[in-house]
Amino acid sequence: EAEVAQSPRYKITEKSQAVAFWCDPISGHATLYWYRQILGQGPELLVQFQDESVVDDSQLPKDRFSAERLKGVDSTLKIQPAELGDSAMYLCASSSRTGGLYEQYFGPGTRLTVT
Amino acid sequence: SQQGEEDPQALSIQEGENATMNCSYKTSINNLQWYRQNSGRGLVHLILIRSNEREKHSGRLRVTLDTSKKSSSLLITASRAADTASYFCATVLNQAGTALIFGKGTTLSVSS
Repeated sequence: EAEVAQSPRYKITEKSQAVAFWCDPISGHATLYWYRQILGQGPELLVQFQDESVVDDSQLPKDRFSAERLKGVDSTLKIQPAELGDSAMYLCASSSRTGGLYEQYFGPGTRLTVT
Repeated sequence: SQQGEEDPQALSIQEGENATMNCSYKTSINNLQWYRQNSGRGLVHLILIRSNEREKHSGRLRVTLDTSKKSSSLLITASRAADTASYFCATVLNQAGTALIFGKGTTLSVSS
């Protein structure tokens, strides 16, 4: 069964350093999402892509976060510089359609710890 | 900001018992979805119910939706230890292209 791949699974970094996360969605899925999940909370959307275009990045802290999806396939989320409050699970999800009528498939996540 | 709110926050039951979780939300929705998350892992989609549906079944899962009360419930019948996980409701608003908005989740523990 096709799965969403994410790497790394775990990342420990010092504050002020740069970190990057990678996501490879299910083949053929045009819509890709990055969520952040703080411990004990539900995931919150950071950015949504439709193919290579950003559909929604209203919750992305653009002073330090950036996301790209070149060629509309895999995606990279970057944080520079990392802050202590960025410690969280970063989840990538993909869907075959937009508009929310279709389920989203989630990757295993990247757990980031900023020290 | 989070749209949905699950109740209870935590639930402990014995194997074989039924587990009921509730979700309330604030604004009109296109559909509501339930997801399961095992400890430290990604989320798995369980069921989607559209705003014009009132009840839906999938195996041991039963979901109801009451749009007049802006609430939904997830019933897991004959619980198993493997059902131990966090359960989240997620809503999709009526705007096109809107992503899921999750609640804080209910942590279910099923002991054998």
